[in-house]
Amino acid sequence: GAVVSQHPSRVICKSGTSVKIECRSLDFQATTMFWYRQFPKQSLMLMATSNEGSKATYEQGVEKDKFLINHASLTLSTLTVTSAHPEDSSFYICSASQGALKGYEQYFGPGTRLTVT
Amino acid sequence: AQSVTQPDIHITVSEGASLELRCNYSYGATPYLFWYVQSPGQGLQLLLKYFSGDTLVQGIKGFEAEFKRSQSSFNLRKPSVHWSDAAEYFCAVGTEGSARQLTFGSGTQLTVLP
Repeated sequence: GAVVSQHPSRVICKSGTSVKIECRSLDFQATTMFWYRQFPKQSLMLMATSNEGSKATYEQGVEKDKFLINHASLTLSTLTVTSAHPEDSSFYICSASQGALKGYEQYFGPGTRLTVT
Repeated sequence: AQSVTQPDIHITVSEGASLELRCNYSYGATPYLFWYVQSPGQGLQLLLKYFSGDTLVQGIKGFEAEFKRSQSSFNLRKPSVHWSDAAEYFCAVGTEGSARQLTFGSGTQLTVLP
């Protein structure tokens, strides 16, 4: 149980285009989803926290107009990187939580490797 | 604000040897502590967690960790390392509140020699 998927696993896009990454909780309903960014050989940096049906809360320094997060249902959150540039190339990981129901544990997706050319 | 320090960037051990990965945290309230493992190009898998109670926590794959409040530490241990344990290990502290956001350490890369 508690499986989180991400799609796509890898994406290459041209500079200036937008790309959407999906995060799904496959066998549970996630009250909260988190989006992280990981640079090579570095740790995970929290980008934003989103609750179903409400606006995401972005961490300091994360451009909300560039990284659009939508949490339309209890099983799906999307991250759209708008007008992507090479510096947006990174490994993006989502996680999902059932909140107090399961001790606030976060279940992580396998990640999406974004390369902007 | 909370923070996590993993002082060892890279550790190399021989298969069958014991392992200890260090983690120190800074947090003003009762910490929720986690250890995750990440294989190359993969997401994170939870090894174990500490919320309260017994300070020695058992996890999956034979790992354990001990919470020491006086030292603000939550070190991960394994008595006998297997080649499949080679991976990146992250310690994290969770905040209180409804979101329980995680702050991760910088990670420790484990190499296992045959």
